[in-house]
Amino acid sequence: GAGVSQSPRYKVAKRGQDVALRCDPISGHVSLFWYQQALGQGPEFLTYFQNEAQLDKSGLPSDRFFAERPEGSVSTLKIQRTQQEDSAVYLCASSGTSGGPGDTQYFGPGTRLTVL
Amino acid sequence: GENVEQHPSTLSVQEGDSAVIKCTYSDSASNYFPWYKQELGKGPQLIIDIRSNVGEKKDQRIAVTLNKTAKHFSLHITETQPEDSAVYFCARTSYGKLTFGQGTILTVHP
Repeated sequence: GAGVSQSPRYKVAKRGQDVALRCDPISGHVSLFWYQQALGQGPEFLTYFQNEAQLDKSGLPSDRFFAERPEGSVSTLKIQRTQQEDSAVYLCASSGTSGGPGDTQYFGPGTRLTVL
Repeated sequence: GENVEQHPSTLSVQEGDSAVIKCTYSDSASNYFPWYKQELGKGPQLIIDIRSNVGEKKDQRIAVTLNKTAKHFSLHITETQPEDSAVYFCARTSYGKLTFGQGTILTVHP
Protein backbone atom coordinates (compact mmCIF):
# COMPACT_ATOMS: atom_id res chain seq x y z
CA GLY A 1 0.00 0.00 0.00
CA ALA A 2 0.92 3.65 -0.18
CA GLY A 3 3.31 5.08 2.38
CA VAL A 4 3.18 8.41 4.14
CA SER A 5 2.82 11.29 1.71
CA GLN A 6 3.50 14.96 2.27
CA SER A 7 2.72 18.06 0.26
CA PRO A 8 4.07 20.29 -0.97
CA ARG A 9 7.53 18.75 -1.30
CA TYR A 10 9.11 22.19 -1.51
CA LYS A 11 7.84 25.52 -0.23
CA VAL A 12 9.45 28.92 -0.49
CA ALA A 13 7.95 31.65 1.65
CA LYS A 14 8.79 35.25 2.26
CA ARG A 15 9.45 36.18 5.85
CA GLY A 16 6.17 36.96 7.57
CA GLN A 17 4.01 34.74 5.37
CA ASP A 18 1.89 31.91 6.74
CA VAL A 19 2.41 28.37 5.42
CA ALA A 20 0.48 25.11 5.70
CA LEU A 21 2.10 21.70 5.30
CA ARG A 22 0.02 18.59 4.74
CA CYS A 23 0.59 15.00 5.79
CA ASP A 24 -1.35 11.94 4.63
CA PRO A 25 -0.46 9.04 6.93
CA ILE A 26 -0.60 5.37 6.07
CA SER A 27 -4.26 4.40 5.94
CA GLY A 28 -5.54 3.22 9.31
CA HIS A 29 -2.54 4.40 11.30
CA VAL A 30 -3.58 5.74 14.68
CA SER A 31 -0.54 7.79 15.60
CA LEU A 32 0.94 10.71 13.68
CA PHE A 33 4.10 12.63 14.46
CA TRP A 34 5.71 15.81 13.13
CA TYR A 35 9.46 16.36 13.24
CA GLN A 36 11.69 19.23 12.15
CA GLN A 37 15.05 18.48 10.56
CA ALA A 38 17.59 21.27 10.22
CA LEU A 39 20.35 20.90 7.65
CA GLY A 40 22.92 18.34 8.77
CA GLN A 41 21.01 17.40 11.92
CA GLY A 42 18.79 14.61 13.09
CA PRO A 43 15.02 15.10 13.14
CA GLU A 44 13.61 16.76 16.25
CA PHE A 45 10.16 16.05 17.65
CA LEU A 46 7.50 18.72 17.29
CA THR A 47 4.12 17.18 18.12
CA TYR A 48 2.16 13.92 18.31
CA PHE A 49 -1.44 12.91 17.63
CA GLN A 50 -3.31 9.78 18.58
CA ASN A 51 -6.32 9.78 16.31
CA GLU A 52 -7.60 13.37 16.46
CA ALA A 53 -6.21 14.10 19.92
CA GLN A 54 -2.98 16.08 20.16
CA LEU A 55 -1.30 14.32 23.07
CA ASP A 56 2.06 16.06 23.04
CA LYS A 57 3.03 19.41 21.59
CA SER A 58 6.07 19.98 23.74
CA GLY A 59 8.41 20.28 20.75
CA LEU A 60 6.65 23.13 18.99
CA PRO A 61 9.22 25.95 19.09
CA SER A 62 6.79 28.84 19.47
CA ASP A 63 3.12 29.75 19.40
CA ARG A 64 3.53 30.49 15.68
CA PHE A 65 3.45 26.73 15.12
CA PHE A 66 0.10 24.98 15.14
CA ALA A 67 -0.89 21.44 14.12
CA GLU A 68 -4.24 19.76 13.71
CA ARG A 69 -5.71 16.42 12.73
CA PRO A 70 -9.45 17.05 12.90
CA GLU A 71 -10.71 13.69 11.61
CA GLY A 72 -7.91 11.50 12.85
CA SER A 73 -6.37 11.02 9.42
CA VAL A 74 -4.79 13.88 7.44
CA SER A 75 -2.79 16.38 9.46
CA THR A 76 -1.75 19.94 8.76
CA LEU A 77 1.18 21.79 10.31
CA LYS A 78 0.73 25.53 10.09
CA ILE A 79 3.43 28.10 10.67
CA GLN A 80 2.35 31.71 11.04
CA ARG A 81 4.54 34.73 10.33
CA THR A 82 7.43 32.60 9.14
CA GLN A 83 10.96 33.51 10.16
CA GLN A 84 14.26 32.54 8.55
CA GLU A 85 15.02 30.17 11.42
CA ASP A 86 11.94 28.17 10.42
CA SER A 87 13.77 27.00 7.28
CA ALA A 88 14.10 23.22 7.59
CA VAL A 89 12.67 19.95 6.35
CA TYR A 90 9.41 19.07 8.08
CA LEU A 91 8.88 15.33 8.36
CA CYS A 92 5.69 13.50 9.13
CA ALA A 93 5.60 9.93 10.46
CA SER A 94 2.78 7.56 11.28
CA SER A 95 2.53 4.37 13.26
CA GLY A 96 -0.13 1.73 13.33
CA THR A 97 -1.07 0.99 16.86
CA SER A 98 -1.88 2.87 19.98
CA GLY A 99 1.21 5.00 20.20
CA GLY A 100 3.13 2.83 22.58
CA PRO A 101 6.87 3.32 23.02
CA GLY A 102 7.81 0.51 20.67
CA ASP A 103 5.64 1.30 17.68
CA THR A 104 7.51 1.54 14.40
CA GLN A 105 7.25 4.98 12.83
CA TYR A 106 7.17 5.29 9.05
CA PHE A 107 8.31 8.57 7.59
CA GLY A 108 7.16 10.57 4.62
CA PRO A 109 9.56 12.30 2.21
CA GLY A 110 9.31 15.63 4.01
CA THR A 111 8.55 19.19 3.00
CA ARG A 112 11.56 21.45 2.54
CA LEU A 113 10.62 24.94 3.71
CA THR A 114 12.82 27.86 2.77
CA VAL A 115 12.04 31.25 4.26
CA LEU A 116 13.60 34.18 2.45
CA GLY B 1 18.83 13.36 30.03
CA GLU B 2 17.07 12.67 26.72
CA ASN B 3 19.92 13.13 24.24
CA VAL B 4 21.38 10.36 22.13
CA GLU B 5 25.08 10.62 21.32
CA GLN B 6 26.13 9.08 18.00
CA HIS B 7 29.65 8.40 16.72
CA PRO B 8 31.36 8.75 14.35
CA SER B 9 29.86 11.70 12.49
CA THR B 10 31.48 10.52 9.25
CA LEU B 11 32.68 7.08 8.22
CA SER B 12 34.45 6.16 5.02
CA VAL B 13 35.04 2.50 4.08
CA GLN B 14 36.01 0.45 1.08
CA GLU B 15 33.43 -1.75 -0.57
CA GLY B 16 33.31 -5.10 1.21
CA ASP B 17 34.56 -3.77 4.53
CA SER B 18 32.43 -3.59 7.68
CA ALA B 19 31.02 -0.41 9.19
CA VAL B 20 30.12 0.15 12.83
CA ILE B 21 28.18 3.09 14.27
CA LYS B 22 27.70 3.52 18.02
CA CYS B 23 25.13 5.38 20.08
CA THR B 24 24.79 6.05 23.80
CA TYR B 25 21.79 7.27 25.77
CA SER B 26 21.03 8.21 29.35
CA ASP B 27 17.28 7.65 29.83
CA SER B 28 16.76 4.29 31.56
CA ALA B 29 13.12 4.26 30.49
CA SER B 30 14.04 3.80 26.82
CA ASN B 31 13.07 0.38 25.57
CA TYR B 32 12.94 0.62 21.79
CA PHE B 33 15.89 1.52 19.59
CA PRO B 34 15.40 1.89 15.82
CA TRP B 35 17.99 2.70 13.18
CA TYR B 36 17.09 4.77 10.13
CA LYS B 37 18.83 5.30 6.80
CA GLN B 38 18.27 8.61 5.05
CA GLU B 39 19.23 9.24 1.45
CA LEU B 40 19.47 12.70 -0.05
CA GLY B 41 16.06 14.30 -0.49
CA LYS B 42 14.19 11.44 1.16
CA GLY B 43 12.67 10.75 4.52
CA PRO B 44 14.29 8.40 7.03
CA GLN B 45 13.74 4.71 6.27
CA LEU B 46 13.73 2.14 9.06
CA ILE B 47 16.40 -0.49 8.47
CA ILE B 48 16.43 -2.41 11.75
CA ASP B 49 15.25 -2.03 15.32
CA ILE B 50 15.78 -3.69 18.66
CA ARG B 51 13.78 -3.84 21.87
CA SER B 52 15.19 -3.79 25.34
CA ASN B 53 14.55 -7.46 26.07
CA VAL B 54 16.89 -8.50 23.25
CA GLY B 55 20.67 -8.16 23.12
CA GLU B 56 21.25 -8.63 19.41
CA LYS B 57 19.26 -8.76 16.20
CA LYS B 58 20.42 -9.53 12.68
CA ASP B 59 18.88 -9.05 9.25
CA GLN B 60 21.11 -10.21 6.40
CA ARG B 61 24.11 -7.82 6.32
CA ILE B 62 22.79 -5.60 9.10
CA ALA B 63 22.93 -6.27 12.82
CA VAL B 64 22.23 -4.26 15.93
CA THR B 65 23.51 -4.91 19.44
CA LEU B 66 22.16 -3.44 22.66
CA ASN B 67 23.83 -3.19 26.06
CA LYS B 68 21.17 -1.84 28.44
CA THR B 69 23.49 -1.85 31.43
CA ALA B 70 26.00 0.38 29.69
CA LYS B 71 23.25 2.23 27.81
CA HIS B 72 24.72 1.89 24.37
CA PHE B 73 23.69 0.26 21.11
CA SER B 74 25.49 -0.24 17.83
CA LEU B 75 24.76 -0.80 14.15
CA HIS B 76 26.95 -3.22 12.24
CA ILE B 77 26.93 -3.41 8.44
CA THR B 78 28.99 -6.19 6.87
CA GLU B 79 30.11 -6.54 3.26
CA THR B 80 29.32 -2.91 2.56
CA GLN B 81 28.20 -1.88 -0.91
CA PRO B 82 28.19 1.54 -2.60
CA GLU B 83 24.40 1.70 -2.24
CA ASP B 84 24.84 1.62 1.54
CA SER B 85 26.19 5.18 1.26
CA ALA B 86 23.74 7.43 3.14
CA VAL B 87 23.19 9.14 6.49
CA TYR B 88 22.36 6.76 9.32
CA PHE B 89 20.51 7.80 12.46
CA CYS B 90 20.07 5.93 15.69
CA ALA B 91 17.08 6.77 17.84
CA ARG B 92 15.29 5.82 21.01
CA THR B 93 11.69 6.25 22.04
CA SER B 94 10.33 8.04 25.07
CA TYR B 95 6.53 8.10 25.45
CA GLY B 96 6.15 7.36 21.76
CA LYS B 97 8.27 10.17 20.35
CA LEU B 98 11.68 9.46 18.82
CA THR B 99 14.87 11.15 19.93
CA PHE B 100 17.54 10.91 17.23
CA GLY B 101 21.29 10.92 17.27
CA GLN B 102 23.20 13.49 15.24
CA GLY B 103 23.68 11.14 12.29
CA THR B 104 26.61 9.38 10.61
CA ILE B 105 27.49 10.05 6.99
CA LEU B 106 28.61 6.68 5.61
CA THR B 107 30.52 6.64 2.34
CA VAL B 108 31.34 3.32 0.71
CA HIS B 109 34.01 3.60 -1.96
CA PRO B 110 33.86 1.11 -4.85
